[in-house]
Amino acid sequence: DAGVTQSPTHLIKTRGQHVTLRCSPISGHKSVSWYQQVLGQGPQFIFQYYEKEERGRGNFPDRFSARQFPNYSSELNVNALLLGDSALYLCASSITGNYGYTFGSGTRLTVV
Amino acid sequence: AQSVTQLGSHVSVSEGALVLLRCNYSSSVPPYLFWYVQYPNQGLQLLLKYTTGATLVKGINGFEAEFKKSETSFHLTKPSAHMSDAAEYFCAVSKGSGNEKLTFGTGTRLTIIP
Repeated sequence: DAGVTQSPTHLIKTRGQHVTLRCSPISGHKSVSWYQQVLGQGPQFIFQYYEKEERGRGNFPDRFSARQFPNYSSELNVNALLLGDSALYLCASSITGNYGYTFGSGTRLTVV
Repeated sequence: AQSVTQLGSHVSVSEGALVLLRCNYSSSVPPYLFWYVQYPNQGLQLLLKYTTGATLVKGINGFEAEFKKSETSFHLTKPSAHMSDAAEYFCAVSKGSGNEKLTFGTGTRLTIIP
């Protein structure tokens, strides 16, 4: 079975631009979460979606938004990019009753 | 609010020696606890998890961790370090309903000395 897949793997954007990151969960997983990992730190929770509904939001500005599609894939959108948005963005999926999240390899976003 | 504290941002051990990575948690409800490993330029891989039941949890690659409620700890151990264990290790906690966010520690970088 394929794991959690994220695209693109690397991305370079200019300040002020917009970016969309994509995530496909493991087949059968209905919950998708997004995390931001700044270099040298632990991942920070951004969003969680379950059955296409937002179940949680971390302490991130409104420039960050996300959605989950009927096939349970997800997009993370970031508007008006700042240099500080440079990070590894991780997607994780899980199924109800399986208390363990499987992470993708991440998208490395560099804002210049 | 939940949090984890990982003691020691860098740990070095000799190949074949015991690995001990420390994690203490704070939680207002019975926690679910996790250890993840991250190799350079990769995502996170689940090593093991504690949900309910047996407090000694065995994971992949010979790692194990023991949940000690009285000490609010969930330390990760491996009897004999291997060069391939060199990586960043993260402890994480969730409320435990199965679809709750993970709160991560700041990580411990493990170096193996040949």
